[in-house]
Amino acid sequence: AQSVTQLDSQVPVFEEAPVELRCNYSSSVSVYLFWYVQYPNQGLQLLLKYLSGSTLVKGINGFEAEFNKSQTSFHLRKPSVHISDTAEYFCAVIPNSGYSTLTFGKGTMLLVSP
Amino acid sequence: GAVVSQHPSWVICKSGTSVKIECRSLDFQATTMFWYRQFPKQSLMLMATSNEGSKATYEQGVEKDKFLINHASLTLSTLTVTSAHPEDSSFYICSARAWEGDDTGELFFGEGSRLTVL
Repeated sequence: AQSVTQLDSQVPVFEEAPVELRCNYSSSVSVYLFWYVQYPNQGLQLLLKYLSGSTLVKGINGFEAEFNKSQTSFHLRKPSVHISDTAEYFCAVIPNSGYSTLTFGKGTMLLVSP
Repeated sequence: GAVVSQHPSWVICKSGTSVKIECRSLDFQATTMFWYRQFPKQSLMLMATSNEGSKATYEQGVEKDKFLINHASLTLSTLTVTSAHPEDSSFYICSARAWEGDDTGELFFGEGSRLTVL
């Protein structure tokens, strides 16, 4: 079984400041990793994903994440946030060995203020 | 990218009535769709896996008779909340893989449907 831990339930930050949203996972098998964003009263939109290859993954809206296998982490970063980045962010994993379903973290609410 | 659409976005119903939520894949065929439930300020909880042409697979603790799932075609899955009660009020989200055989795990999500039971 897999588990995903997002330690920060809420991250307040000022506009144009950098931000890092933390994600750690636990799994006995190799996994694919994802970050999704959810705006209020909407579904989820994929920000980026790591399947293989380079451990630094670039996504939409200026976000990037780095996969660290030894630390079992997949932290999400953005060098300069905008008000419009205010949303809930979910980290998720899925075993890469079969046809399975995503396991989500509890989410981190990013609050960007002017 | 693949588009998944849900309808209705919002629904308010009286206690004891049934509500149907539709999930459509607009530009691809989805053999498998997933239904999630999300409580306020919480993560997504997988309710069931909807398989086209066969019975849905429910997660432990999810009442099959309360949450009826039908996947009659490759582009449509429906979730019916039967005899709804206030505790069923929640945000329901469906998702699908983009194509058959895709094992990258990426899911495309619908916009979600907020159910309020009075």
